[in-house]
Amino acid sequence: GQQVMQIPQYQHVQEGEDFTTYCNSSTTLSNIQWYKQRPGGHPVFLIQLVKSGEVKKQKRLTFQFGEAKKNSSLHITATQTTDVGTYFCAGTRLKAAGNKLTFGGGTRVLVKP
Amino acid sequence: DAGITQSPRHKVTETGTPVTLRCHQTENHRYMYWYRQDPGHGLRLIHYSYGVKDTDKGEVSDGYSVSRSKTEDFLLTLESATSSQTSVYFCAISDGLTDTQYFGPGTRLTVL
Repeated sequence: GQQVMQIPQYQHVQEGEDFTTYCNSSTTLSNIQWYKQRPGGHPVFLIQLVKSGEVKKQKRLTFQFGEAKKNSSLHITATQTTDVGTYFCAGTRLKAAGNKLTFGGGTRVLVKP
Repeated sequence: DAGITQSPRHKVTETGTPVTLRCHQTENHRYMYWYRQDPGHGLRLIHYSYGVKDTDKGEVSDGYSVSRSKTEDFLLTLESATSSQTSVYFCAISDGLTDTQYFGPGTRLTVL
C-alpha cells in the first residue's frame, strides 16, 4: 500500500534559525496537504498543494510539491517558539476512494530559545 | 475550528470491555473518519464513512467497528478492548469537495 515517509522525525531548532522537513511518497499523489499539531492538540490543516512543482508561502512557511508529485517539503524561516509542534504531511493517491489521506509519521519541532 | 466534538474526551477501561467513542459534527459534511495516533506511527486510518450507513475499512481496522445512522454522528466501537488499543483517537470530517480534513479534539483511551 501507499507509504508516506517524513524526515527528520525530530527537529531541534535554535530560535531564529531556519529548517526544512521533507515528505516522500511511495506512489504518485493527487495532492499533498500539511497539518500542524500543537502539543496536546489536534491536527490543524495548513495548506494543500495540487500542481506539479507548486510553491506556496504562508508568512515564514514555504511549501513545495515536487515535479513528480511524490515528494514535498516545508521550510520555516526565522523559527519562533510558536512554531513548536508536530508537522504532518498527508497525501491523497490518484483516484483514491473516500478522499482518504495517508499521513506521514510527522516531524516534531522543538525550539530552543 | 470546524464544529466537531468527540465524547468522551478521556476514558480508562479494562481489557475485554466494550467501548464506544462518539464523533458529532454540525457541518453536514459527507465524509467522516476515525484515526488512531500512536508515538512513531503518526495518524493511521481505522474506518471511514462516505455517507449514512456507508462505511469502509482503513489500514488498521481489526478489532474496531463503526456505525453511521445519521449524517452528524459517527460511532467507533471496540467490541472487546485490548491493551494494544490504548491510544489517542481522532475523528475527522471532510466535505468531499476538497480532500481537506478537519479534526476533532481527540479522545484519550487507556485500556488496562
